[in-house]
Amino acid sequence: KAGVTQTPRYLIKTRGQQVTLSCSPISGHRSVSWYQQTPGQGLQFLFEYFSETQRNKGNFPGRFSGRQFSNSRSEMNVSTLELGDSALYLCASKGGPATNEKLFFGSGTQLSVL
Amino acid sequence: AQRVTQPEKLLSVFKGAPVELKCNYSYSGSPELFWYVQYSRQRLQLLLRHISRESIKGFTADLNKGETSFHLKKPFAQEEDSAMYYCALSSGGSYIPTFGRGTSLIVHP
Repeated sequence: KAGVTQTPRYLIKTRGQQVTLSCSPISGHRSVSWYQQTPGQGLQFLFEYFSETQRNKGNFPGRFSGRQFSNSRSEMNVSTLELGDSALYLCASKGGPATNEKLFFGSGTQLSVL
Repeated sequence: AQRVTQPEKLLSVFKGAPVELKCNYSYSGSPELFWYVQYSRQRLQLLLRHISRESIKGFTADLNKGETSFHLKKPFAQEEDSAMYYCALSSGGSYIPTFGRGTSLIVHP
């Protein structure tokens, strides 16, 4: 089974631009969640999608948005980029609804905002 | 609201020394607790979960409901244990676990 795939691996953007990141979950997984990872703040939850519906949302501004397609693939969009948005963005998928189900993470997209 | 606190941002030990990474949580119900690990240049992955009561790579963690803690322990640290460790909590009210800020473990030779 292929793991969680995130593209692109690296991105360099300038302030004010927008960016779209992509995540393909493990086949059969319907839950996809997104996280921002930085050395100072650790792992911060952005949002989670299940069957094309956003079920949970973290404390990020509206510039951060996402969506999920019928094949469970998900995209995350950040508009009007700021320098502070530079981070590793991780996607994770989950196989079932149980709270003790583990998350499978992708390798991440490293976003640098100049 | 549920919260996970990892009080140490960095923990530095020598090879062969015992290691304990602290995790405290706040949640009024019965939580599910996990430790995730991220080795250099590798994906974040599950290390262990309290429901399994297992020992992975020599690490154990015991849920202490009285102290609301889930500390990760290993009696003899190895250099390959150097990594970023995240404690996480799931509950019946959330679909996705809440993560702590992480502790970077460095094991010196």
